[in-house]
Amino acid sequence: ETGVTQSPTHLIKTRGQQVTLRCSSQSGHNTVSWYQQALGQGPQFIFQYYREEENGRGNFPPRFSGLQFPNYSSELNVNALELDDSALYLCASSLGTGWETQYFGPGTRLLVL
Amino acid sequence: LAKTTQPISMDSYEGQEVNITCSHNNIATNDYITWYQQFPSQGPRFIIQGYKTKVTNEVASLFIPADRKSSTLSLPRVSLSDTAVYYCLVVSSGGGADGLTFGKGTHLIIQP
Repeated sequence: ETGVTQSPTHLIKTRGQQVTLRCSSQSGHNTVSWYQQALGQGPQFIFQYYREEENGRGNFPPRFSGLQFPNYSSELNVNALELDDSALYLCASSLGTGWETQYFGPGTRLLVL
Repeated sequence: LAKTTQPISMDSYEGQEVNITCSHNNIATNDYITWYQQFPSQGPRFIIQGYKTKVTNEVASLFIPADRKSSTLSLPRVSLSDTAVYYCLVVSSGGGADGLTFGKGTHLIIQP
């Protein structure tokens, strides 16, 4: 059974640029959620995708967008990067939209200069 | 969503039992209590989940009193590798579009 994988592991961008982060969900899972974790804080929910549709969204601006593909992998896109976007971005997969157990990937560390 | 309160940090020693208590006064009838563990530069990992009384798995035990306004994660005979951040979450069994709500967690440091 393959776990959740994310790419790239690290990324450096400059303010104003755009970034795309990728996530492959655990085998058999059809739901992907994205979280942002700033240093010293707990993860904050960005949005969730279920069967290729956005199923819920946290308190993040529209420049944070996403996609889910037919194989349930997912992308997180962030436009017009700001310094405060520097964080660990986590992807979690689950089976269905129940919140009982989510399986997290190792994350992508984004640094915005 | 029920807000949770847990200690910011705890210290213990190898071989000891560690208990981390979480309060969730506004827990709803269809909410579960779930604990995650996170090591530096890794994603959180599910530890245990329960609704009431006691739940035990190979890693930990979870104690939930009858009023469900608090819960206690118990880690038996901890080792250095248990040093991590532990998050207590309240999640709705009915699903929902609000995501998991993480606080700052409890930084557990295990010393030799």
